Amino acid sequence: DARVTQTPRHKVTEMGQEVTMRCQPILGHNTVFWYRQTMMQGLELLAYFRNRAPLDDSGMPKDRFSAEMPDATLATLKIQPSEPRDSAVYFCASGSRTGGINEQFFGPGTRLTVL
Amino acid sequence: GQNIDQPTEMTATEGAIVQINCTYQTSGFNGLFWYQQHAGEAPTFLSYNVLDGLEEKGRFSSFLSRSKGYSYLLLKELQMKDSASYLCAVRDGTAGNKLTFGGGTRVLVKP
Repeated sequence: DARVTQTPRHKVTEMGQEVTMRCQPILGHNTVFWYRQTMMQGLELLAYFRNRAPLDDSGMPKDRFSAEMPDATLATLKIQPSEPRDSAVYFCASGSRTGGINEQFFGPGTRLTVL
Repeated sequence: GQNIDQPTEMTATEGAIVQINCTYQTSGFNGLFWYQQHAGEAPTFLSYNVLDGLEEKGRFSSFLSRSKGYSYLLLKELQMKDSASYLCAVRDGTAGNKLTFGGGTRVLVKP
């Protein structure tokens, strides 16, 4: 069945290292969202793409975070350099604007720990 | 901007009913969603309201009052597997239809 996939599922790294997270949206979905979830802040939107074009990245720290969609089957979220405060679960979600409720389907998440 | 409030935690007994309230303030309301999230897992879609009234889906129902900025999720005949966090999210039609999530309500179902 169709689902959003994310890699890696877990990542432990040291402060200062680059981290790249990948997401494959559901085939045919034209909107992709990146969220970060922590106990303190809950689920926060970092960036949002429609038809591969970035629409909103206001929730993302610009100095160290970047999000791209090289093609319709791949979205990436990069942190460089990483800091301990970036430790969180990062979710990718995809949706379709072709009618209906347009709910978002979430991937399993990448659990990031920055030491 | 968006402001969404829901209780942090609720406890209920197996077989009982629990109602999770959500209040919101938004500039461009275009629908309210409820998601369920089990510990260590991704949120999964439960329900959607865009018009006032009650939407029923099996043991789960969701209600919306747009004039009051208020929604609730009703869980009936509680089962142990319903222990999870329930996230209220509001869609803003003036901001690219992005969702803003509340902090979530953790529901603990006891035997």
